Amino acid sequence: GAVVSQHPSWVICKSGTSVKIECRSLDFQATTMFWYRQFPKQSLMLMATSNEGSKATYEQGVEKDKFLINHASLTLSTLTVTSAHPEDSSFYICSARILSGANVLTFGAGSRLTVL
Amino acid sequence: GENVEQHPSTLSVQEGDSAVIKCTYSDSASNYFPWYKQELGKRPQLIIDIRSNVGEKKDQRIAVTLNKTAKHFSLHITETQPEDSAVYFCAASGNFNKFYFGSGTKLNVKP
Repeated sequence: GAVVSQHPSWVICKSGTSVKIECRSLDFQATTMFWYRQFPKQSLMLMATSNEGSKATYEQGVEKDKFLINHASLTLSTLTVTSAHPEDSSFYICSARILSGANVLTFGAGSRLTVL
Repeated sequence: GENVEQHPSTLSVQEGDSAVIKCTYSDSASNYFPWYKQELGKRPQLIIDIRSNVGEKKDQRIAVTLNKTAKHFSLHITETQPEDSAVYFCAASGNFNKFYFGSGTKLNVKP
């Protein structure tokens, strides 16, 4: 089945540094990937839609200069949290839409970011 | 954008009983409604989905119903088992462009 690989699964960084999270579709091509943020015991909040070869579209209230998204190939999207602060600590999870078949959404395993 | 509301936030049932989780959506253009199960520390997994041209879909012990007029859809789990315990999320999408999720329901199935 379609697999989405997300890396790193856990990262701790100092305040002010930048962190890059990678999301790869392993056995299928994904022209569209979605980035979500999930706070403890809460729902998945859509942050942005990542489109291969074009700029990402951000949801209202999400700072595009803070959360840089690059979708340079059909199998890789990256999310960079720039100048991270403790309030950016969260669980970030990517997902990819499978183009063929049922058009389902499949998720990566998520990345837990802790900013000290 | 789409607004998806989900109830209840927590649900506790006895093993063997049925569980029902309900969601409403706001955008009449939404036409695809998946349900995801998320176990602690794991990624959400698709368990069942329904499209707007269908009113009901069933897969063994789970079923989903959709009322387009009222803009609500429900997940039904029959003969619940302890391994059904998890957080369940509903979602709505318009032509698979974006997926918006409900707030989640923590289901606890007591043995």
